[in-house]
Amino acid sequence: GAVVSQHPSRVICKSGTSVKIECRSLDFQATTMFWYRQFPKQSLMLMATSNEGSKATYEQGVEKDKFLINHASLTLSTLTVTSAHPEDSSFYICSARSGGVNNSPLHFGNGTRLTVT
Amino acid sequence: GENVEQHPSTLSVQEGDSAVIKCTYSDSASNYFPWYKQELGKRPQLIIDIRSNVGEKKDQRIAVTLNKTAKHFSLHITETQPEDSAVYFCAAIDGDSNYQLIWGAGTKLIIKP
Repeated sequence: GAVVSQHPSRVICKSGTSVKIECRSLDFQATTMFWYRQFPKQSLMLMATSNEGSKATYEQGVEKDKFLINHASLTLSTLTVTSAHPEDSSFYICSARSGGVNNSPLHFGNGTRLTVT
Repeated sequence: GENVEQHPSTLSVQEGDSAVIKCTYSDSASNYFPWYKQELGKRPQLIIDIRSNVGEKKDQRIAVTLNKTAKHFSLHITETQPEDSAVYFCAAIDGDSNYQLIWGAGTKLIIKP
């Protein structure tokens, strides 16, 4: 089946530093990838939609200058948390559609547990 | 845009019994409804999905029903087992917003031995 690989799985960083998270579709091409944030015991919160070759679409309330998204190829999207602060600590997870139609299944990466000290 | 509500937030059932989780949606144009299972600290995994051209879909112990008129869909798990314990999320596609999935709040399913 379709596989989405996300790295790193865990990262601890100091306040003020930046962290890059990679999301790769291993056996399919993904023109669109979605980046989510999930707080403990809560649902998935969509942060932004990453479109290959164009600018990402950010959800209301998500700072685009803080959460930089780059989708340079059909198999790779990256999320960079810039100048991280403790409140950015969370579980970040990417996903992509394996099918070419908009109502096809969404496949998730394993997620990245970010801890900012 | 689409809005999805999910109930209950927590469901505790005896092992071997059935579990039912219900979701409602607001956009009658939505045509795709997946269900995901998420174990603690892990990624959501698709367990079953249904498209609007069918009313029911079954895969072994798991089934999903869709009522387009009432705009609700349900997940049914029969003969529950301890490994079914997890958080389950329903979702509906939002055709107005880049076809992103709109998620329910999740249901924590607890299987009592």
